[in-house]
Amino acid sequence: DTGVSQDPRHKITKRGQNVTFRCDPISEHNRLYWYRQTLGQGPEFLTYFQNEAQLEKSRLLSDRFSAERPKGSFSTLEIQRTEQGDSAMYLCASSSGESSTDTQYFGPGTRLTVL
Amino acid sequence: KQEVTQIPAALSVPEGENLVLNCSFTDSAIYNLQWFRQDPGKGLTSLLLIQSSQREQTSGRLNASLDKSSGRSTLYIAASQPGDSATYLCALFDYKLSFGAGTTVTVRA
Repeated sequence: DTGVSQDPRHKITKRGQNVTFRCDPISEHNRLYWYRQTLGQGPEFLTYFQNEAQLEKSRLLSDRFSAERPKGSFSTLEIQRTEQGDSAMYLCASSSGESSTDTQYFGPGTRLTVL
Repeated sequence: KQEVTQIPAALSVPEGENLVLNCSFTDSAIYNLQWFRQDPGKGLTSLLLIQSSQREQTSGRLNASLDKSSGRSTLYIAASQPGDSATYLCALFDYKLSFGAGTTVTVRA
């Protein structure tokens, strides 16, 4: 079991550019979550997938954000026209999906800095 | 929206002292509660998960209690060590996690 992996670990971009992050969940985990964490705060829920279906999106996920999980395995989170307020740690987590309260296992996160 | 509060925001103790971390929430409902540890710049590691029907969970030096009637959970860490220095987060759990802001703990050698 290799755990949840995220790529890249760090991303620095200029305002207005598009960025894409990738998350590889634990093998055979059906549920995949995205959270965002700003400095000094706890993570905030963005969205989650059950297999390839995106079941919920937070109001935090503006139209500039899009997430996909095309084959029910890895997921991507894209931010278009980045703003300085998008600077944060983006965390991915996965769970087996056998029950709604299975433990979520977190990846190391992608730290985004928008200049 | 579920509100989760952790007080204090930061805590510094000498090695060997017991740690008591508090978490309060506004809506007990049927939520489970989970405690996590986060090291600087890293992801989250699950410590303890308390099901909504349970009152406490224990793992080694860690013990977490849940009192839904008062909307509180407490994480106890016995005989703290410098390696316990980290940020501790509690979260209500009903398929997605609703986190508090965390308590940053420093254990002085």
